[in-house]
Amino acid sequence: DVKVTQSSRYLVKRTGEKVFLECVQDMDHENMFWYRQDPGLGLRLIYFSYDVKMKEKGDIPEGYSVSREKKERFSLILESASTNQTSMYLCASSRGPGTSGRAGGNEQFFGPGTRLTVL
Amino acid sequence: SQQGEEDPQALSIQEGENATMNCSYKTSINNLQWYRQNSGRGLVHLILIRSNEREKHSGRLRVTLDTSKKSSSLLITASRAADTASYFCATGDFFSGGYNKLIFGAGTRLAVHP
Repeated sequence: DVKVTQSSRYLVKRTGEKVFLECVQDMDHENMFWYRQDPGLGLRLIYFSYDVKMKEKGDIPEGYSVSREKKERFSLILESASTNQTSMYLCASSRGPGTSGRAGGNEQFFGPGTRLTVL
Repeated sequence: SQQGEEDPQALSIQEGENATMNCSYKTSINNLQWYRQNSGRGLVHLILIRSNEREKHSGRLRVTLDTSKKSSSLLITASRAADTASYFCATGDFFSGGYNKLIFGAGTRLAVHP
């Protein structure tokens, strides 16, 4: 059974703390993504990675960084947590385009989410 | 930036009725996907329709795609209480490097009452 796991379901941190959210996938996927989800705003892409040590900014990267040292693991880092980073954080993975160069957005597999509260 | 926009934002129906949700998008796409999210959980992929397809079925799900109108619809037939969830459309687009990024809409909240 394919799986994307996230290190915590619920997390409470204080303003100014450094926060690490971990995501692990067991499907040997090339692509990994971090989203945040807020009511009425849907999913917004923070960062994604298409290969080990590679990363690209999404739509809302400010205040976040990422790390991908191994193919199966993608970490989201809040350098100095702020109250406006209280949100649901979702990790996802997907296959890359492969040698066929097939384009256009493969199915993404999501983790269960981490609900982060910053006080 | 959001590409897909779902309509309606919320839908409330009785068990056994059909539920129809619509999605509009802005740019050319390679495929369109629908996902379901149960309360407080991650998203689960339901169905993918490619830009050269007009209709696709999967069990009680029927998806249509009209690329001329840049719109899609998801029909759930004979709904059940277990279908209560939020439903999101996502569009797949090719951009530099071939990274398979999806752009999600804000979702439709479906409530199915017994």
